[in-house]
Amino acid sequence: DIQMTQSPSSLSASVGDRVTITCRASQDISNYLAWFQQKPGKAPKSLLYAASTLQSGVPSKFSGSGSGTDFTLTISSLQPEDFATYYCQQYNSFPLTFGGGTKVEIK
Amino acid sequence: QVHLVESGGGVVQPGGSLRLSCAASGFIFSSHGMHWVRQAPGKGLEWVTYIRSHAREKFYADSVKGRFTISRDNSQNTLYLQMNSLRVEDSALYFCAPNFGSGDYPRIDSCGQGTLVTVSS
Repeated sequence: DIQMTQSPSSLSASVGDRVTITCRASQDISNYLAWFQQKPGKAPKSLLYAASTLQSGVPSKFSGSGSGTDFTLTISSLQPEDFATYYCQQYNSFPLTFGGGTKVEIK
Repeated sequence: QVHLVESGGGVVQPGGSLRLSCAASGFIFSSHGMHWVRQAPGKGLEWVTYIRSHAREKFYADSVKGRFTISRDNSQNTLYLQMNSLRVEDSALYFCAPNFGSGDYPRIDSCGQGTLVTVSS
């Protein structure tokens, strides 16, 4: 199985900060990587797929990059509604696997 | 607009069974593969199973293989998850989600709000 490792597991940031979350796959997954946002008590929401393609309706402050084993999610200017937990997920091969999550908290 | 409504969750004893349903609308259900994903209380996301649009291929996480069965009724736009031999560790919020991408690389797109399964004696 492909292991997905996110870092950091949590971070504190201020409104307006630029935030970067990293995700590493245990083997080459090409660009078959997605990012999800989840707020407490809510369903996960897909933000990006194919490492860097925004889902419809997702604001451009979210961006993704990477290929192979190393990926990043960047939020260009953190807003109050962005405080949430973020997950990466590979869909290169079964079983599909998620990273452990990164909780973004208010500083 | 994609709309997914999961149902069928509840409280069940270890060893028991439940059948979850996911009613889909807002897209051509029969053209897309579908996933089940779960989240145990306070834990991260776990992919459970996937069925292709034609239902001839199904994939399972090792943790549920042989106990859970995914199926679909394309005439009713409904996805199912039959869960047998339930364990305490199956307790989770279960979400269904479509794959709007390639059939060969089935990504997880929007999720429903989920249905809660609690396995407890």
